[in-house]
Amino acid sequence: ETGVTQTPRHLVMGMTNKKSLKCEQHLGHNAMYWYKQSAKKPLELMFVYNFKEQTENNSVPSRFSPECPNSSHLFLHLHTLQPEDSALYLCASSQGASPLHFGNGTRLTVT
Amino acid sequence: SQELEQSPQSLIVQEGKNLTINCTSSKTLYGLYWYKQKYGEGLIFLMMLQKGGEEKSHEKITAKLDEKKQQSSLHITASQPSHAGIYLCGADIKNSGYSTLTFGKGTMLLVSP
Repeated sequence: ETGVTQTPRHLVMGMTNKKSLKCEQHLGHNAMYWYKQSAKKPLELMFVYNFKEQTENNSVPSRFSPECPNSSHLFLHLHTLQPEDSALYLCASSQGASPLHFGNGTRLTVT
Repeated sequence: SQELEQSPQSLIVQEGKNLTINCTSSKTLYGLYWYKQKYGEGLIFLMMLQKGGEEKSHEKITAKLDEKKQQSSLHITASQPSHAGIYLCGADIKNSGYSTLTFGKGTMLLVSP
């Protein structure tokens, strides 16, 4: 059971493709996050949105473009990715500084 | 070096045995969170610690926070196969007002029958 739903669960894309990851939270939280999880590395915070406003961008390359149309939805638009961008992308939400609630992630493979 | 170090990186224990996982921060902790992850899935929240000396338990899992040492430990008593997974500690080292957590690399736990 998860209050945070991510789609798709798996995605394979070529380096010239454009795709989007979607996240939806049903918890009434005001903050949403994108994290990247690569093998043998700690989770890396990518973006934070608080009340739909982007409050943090951790030097993420411009080929990743987030969008937060409302407090319940978060997107990550992908274009011209590199093979090293292959990873598990996790969305999370929180109410202020409360514990993060994570979705099950999108496993992305860039070929 | 990393801001949050977890040890050990991996652990195999026999069912019924106790184990401890440690998490050490190089920066001041404003909150320490423990999560569990099954491979390829999302993180499940276990416990949050905010005050020095705080200790919390849930079923057979106990977490403690030593604020002065900037360390936390997660202890599992009488391990079961259901405890297998990756345990991650996440720390609030920014005190930003929302949960911009920094995570350790995780500890992979296997429980053998």
